[in-house]
Amino acid sequence: NAGVTQTPKFRVLKTGQSMTLLCAQDMNHEYMYWYRQDPGMGLRLIHYSVGEGTTAKGEVPDGYNVSRLKKQNFLLGLESAAPSQTSVYFCASSWGADSTDTQYFGPGTRLTVL
Amino acid sequence: RKEVEQDPGPFNVPEGATVAFNCTYSNSASQSFFWYRQDCRKEPKLLMSVYSSGNEDGRFTAQLNRASQYISLLIRDSKLSDSATYLCVAIAGKSTFGDGTTLTVKP
Repeated sequence: NAGVTQTPKFRVLKTGQSMTLLCAQDMNHEYMYWYRQDPGMGLRLIHYSVGEGTTAKGEVPDGYNVSRLKKQNFLLGLESAAPSQTSVYFCASSWGADSTDTQYFGPGTRLTVL
Repeated sequence: RKEVEQDPGPFNVPEGATVAFNCTYSNSASQSFFWYRQDCRKEPKLLMSVYSSGNEDGRFTAQLNRASQYISLLIRDSKLSDSATYLCVAIAGKSTFGDGTTLTVKP
C-alpha cells in the first residue's frame, strides 16, 4: 500500500516547455487534488476532482490543465511553463469532503522554471 | 482578504509551555475543518479534524466557533518534536488552506 505517489520528484524546465505531473493513489479514493506551495505560503488549490472523469477549478487554475481518466490517477499539465510556476506541487486524495475525510498527501514535486 | 487566515508567527516557546493558534475563515458555507502539520516543506499530514463539539487528542485540543467563524488549536506541554508549521483548512466543496503558523519549541 503506497498511499499517494507523485512522479517526478524534481524537474527543471525552460520557459515555454510543457510537462505533465502524475499523481497516483491506491486507496480507492474518490476525491483528488492538486496544490501548489510557494515559499512562506500555504497550499493553494489548483484543480480538484470528485470522481473519475470529473474535474473542477480551484483557487489558482490558470496555466494548468488536469485529467482524471482513471480513478487512481490525476494528471496535472503545464502547457507552456512560466517562471511564476516555480513551486512545490502536492497531490492529495480523500474519500470525500466531510469532517472525517482526511486528505492524504503525496511527497511533492519540486518544479523550477528557468 | 484571504478566505482562511492564520497568524504566521513564529511562535517560539519553551518546552512544557502551552500554546494556542487561531484560524479564521470567511466562507460561512464551510462545513469541514482540519489541522495539518507540515515539517520542513514535506507533505502535510493530518493532525486532527475539528468537530463542532470540540475534540481532544492527547496534548492537542481543537475547537470550532461557527458564530465567529474561527477554529483553534491548543497544544499543552509542548515537546521539541512539536516544532513544525501548523496549517488549518476549511472545506466548502473545495478546500482552502491557511498559510500556516510556525512553532518552534526550545529546550
